[in-house]
Amino acid sequence: QSVLTQPPSASGTPGQRVTISCSGSSSNIGSNTVNWYQHFPGTAPKLLIYSNNQRPSGVPDRFSGSKSGTSASLAISGLQSEDETDYYCAAWDDSLTGWVFGGGTKLTVL
Amino acid sequence: QLQLQESGPGLVKPSETLSLTCTVSGGSISSSNYYWGWIRQPPGKGREWIGTIYYSESTYYNPSLKSRVAISVDTSKNQFSLKLSSVTAADTAVYYCARLGCSRGSCYSLQLYYFDYWGQGTLVTVSS
Repeated sequence: QSVLTQPPSASGTPGQRVTISCSGSSSNIGSNTVNWYQHFPGTAPKLLIYSNNQRPSGVPDRFSGSKSGTSASLAISGLQSEDETDYYCAAWDDSLTGWVFGGGTKLTVL
Repeated sequence: QLQLQESGPGLVKPSETLSLTCTVSGGSISSSNYYWGWIRQPPGKGREWIGTIYYSESTYYNPSLKSRVAISVDTSKNQFSLKLSSVTAADTAVYYCARLGCSRGSCYSLQLYYFDYWGQGTLVTVSS
């Protein structure tokens, strides 16, 4: 359904490092930057990472982003219980001439 | 702190026009280097970009919705609006408004912008 592919779920224990993948194509991730969002349902989504690996001010350095080819990843180190929520990736798509999103990954902290 | 708030009817009849407004507070909608956009997420489906506008009223729409969408700006009220015509049940979704920002040195191309502030979203149901 979504242009960018994310695993529907991910999990980890407190203190652990988890990664969430986002797979696309040459028209989106392969040629444009990737952004990541954290979303607690019912609230406004929050920008977590922009331009592949940049953190807005106020975002802890536990969150990091990377990109390689047509895939990107969000890494969360030192996992905390308050990190349990949904995460989305997004990128510009040259074919659409607009933004496309991943289907979202629900992170569970065990 | 910039805040965006969506408002509008939560129920729209099939074939009618969906109308939503996004009120921006804590910042001016006329600020240069910012665009404003709408995104939606149907129940159980992924997010979809609807369209984007600059305060000077340059607009960009998702080709799949372009024939039915209109986004406008009211700088006097610090608001921007979405109109989606001829709606069907497939248009039932949570609709979000958002600001698009850019990094210093990257504001020359729309594709380098990213959604940096969002509203909390509003559910619009299309049903008779």
